[in-house]
Amino acid sequence: NAGVTQTPKFQVLKTGQSMTLQCAQDMNHEYMSWYRQDPGMGLRLIHYSVGAGITDQGEVPNGYNVSRSTTEDFPLRLLSAAPSQTSVYFCASSYDRGVAKNIQYFGAGTRLSVL
Amino acid sequence: KQEVTQIPAALSVPEGENLVLNCSFTDSAIYNLQWFRQDPGKGLTSLLLIQSSQREQTSGRLNASLDKSSGRSTLYIAASQPGDSATYLCAVCGANSKLTFGKGITLSVRP
Repeated sequence: NAGVTQTPKFQVLKTGQSMTLQCAQDMNHEYMSWYRQDPGMGLRLIHYSVGAGITDQGEVPNGYNVSRSTTEDFPLRLLSAAPSQTSVYFCASSYDRGVAKNIQYFGAGTRLSVL
Repeated sequence: KQEVTQIPAALSVPEGENLVLNCSFTDSAIYNLQWFRQDPGKGLTSLLLIQSSQREQTSGRLNASLDKSSGRSTLYIAASQPGDSATYLCAVCGANSKLTFGKGITLSVRP
């Protein structure tokens, strides 16, 4: 079991470039989500998915797109990177049955710098 | 809107001390509360999860309590060690498994 795998670990972009942050889990979890972590702001939810084909917005969705074509993968797309998107991005997953018991598992993060 | 507060932002204690980390939240309509540990430059590791119907959970030297009606949780660390130095994050789980995080408490345990 690899758990939640995020790639790449580090990325530097120029303003206006696009890229996709990858997230994969091998635990057959239905629920997956993306957070960003900024100094002084804590972790904030960007987008989440309760199953393949179903996605929804979190607290800070602007500038980001997601899709969920398979249970395992939940990529996060930056269409036109901006310096305000410089952050550390975390992907998380959990079972979506019996919500009260759900432990959320996090990936190691992607450190993104937008110049 | 749910808000989660962790005070203080940083804490420094000598090795061996028992300590309590506090977490408060504004909306008691939660499914569970999780405590996470984050080491510098790393991801989050789940330490304890307390379901909304539970009062406490224990794992080794860690004990977490939950008082949903007052919107409070505490993480008790017994006999602290330098290896416990990390940032501790509290998160409450609401509808659709969405987590709302506090900003964390950075703990330093001095040898």
